[in-house]
Amino acid sequence: NAGVTQTPKFRVLKTGQSMTLLCAQDMNHEYMYWYRQDPGMGLRLIHYSVGEGTTAKGEVPDGYNVSRLKKQNFLLGLESAAPSQTSVYFCASKWGRGPSGANVLTFGAGSRLTVL
Amino acid sequence: AQSVTQPDIHITVSEGASLELRCNYSYGATPYLFWYVQSPGQGLQLLLKYFSGDTLVQGIKGFEAEFKRSQSSFNLRKPSVHWSDAAEYFCAVGVNAGNMLTFGGGTRLMVKP
Repeated sequence: NAGVTQTPKFRVLKTGQSMTLLCAQDMNHEYMYWYRQDPGMGLRLIHYSVGEGTTAKGEVPDGYNVSRLKKQNFLLGLESAAPSQTSVYFCASKWGRGPSGANVLTFGAGSRLTVL
Repeated sequence: AQSVTQPDIHITVSEGASLELRCNYSYGATPYLFWYVQSPGQGLQLLLKYFSGDTLVQGIKGFEAEFKRSQSSFNLRKPSVHWSDAAEYFCAVGVNAGNMLTFGGGTRLMVKP
C-alpha cells in the first residue's frame, strides 16, 4: 500500500518553463490537496479537490492550475514558472467530508522545485 | 479568517528533558486542532488531533496536547524528549468541519545529547 505518491521528487526549472507535478493515491480518498511549504510560513493551500472532476482554489492559487480527471490522481501545473514558485510542494488526501477519528490528511513525501 | 501562531521558531532541549511547544489559534467557531511532525526530507505525520470531548488528548510517540478554549491554545507536550524527536512540528486548525487546514509556521526542535 503506497499511500500518497508524488512525482517527481526534485526538479529544476528555468523561468518561464512549464511543468506538472503528479500526485497519486491508492486509498480511494475523495478529497485531495496541494500545499506549498516555505520557511517560516508553514504549509499554505494552493488548490484542492472534493471529488473526481472538481477543483477549487485555496489560499495561494495564482500561477498554478490543477486537474482531477481520475479519482486517484491530482495534477498541479505551472504554466510559466517564476522564481517565487521555488518551494517544496506537498500533496495530501483524505477519505471524505467532515471530521472523524480516521478522516485525517495523509501526506506525500514532497516535491522540491527550484526555479532559476 | 482563521490563523495559527507558533511563537517559537526554534527550540533546543536536552535529551530527557520535558518539552512544551506552543500553539495559538484564531477561529470564530469550534476548532478542530491538529499537531503534525515532519522529519527532514519527509512528509507530515499526524501526532494527534482534537475534535471534541476531553481537552487533553494523547497522541503517538508519547506526545499529548491540551486544548484551552479560554486561551485559544493547543500546546503540545512530552515529559521526556528523545533524540529521535528532533524534527519540525506544525500546529493546524481545521475549518469547514475540518476539511480545510490552516497551518502555523512551524517550530523546529533540536535535541542536545
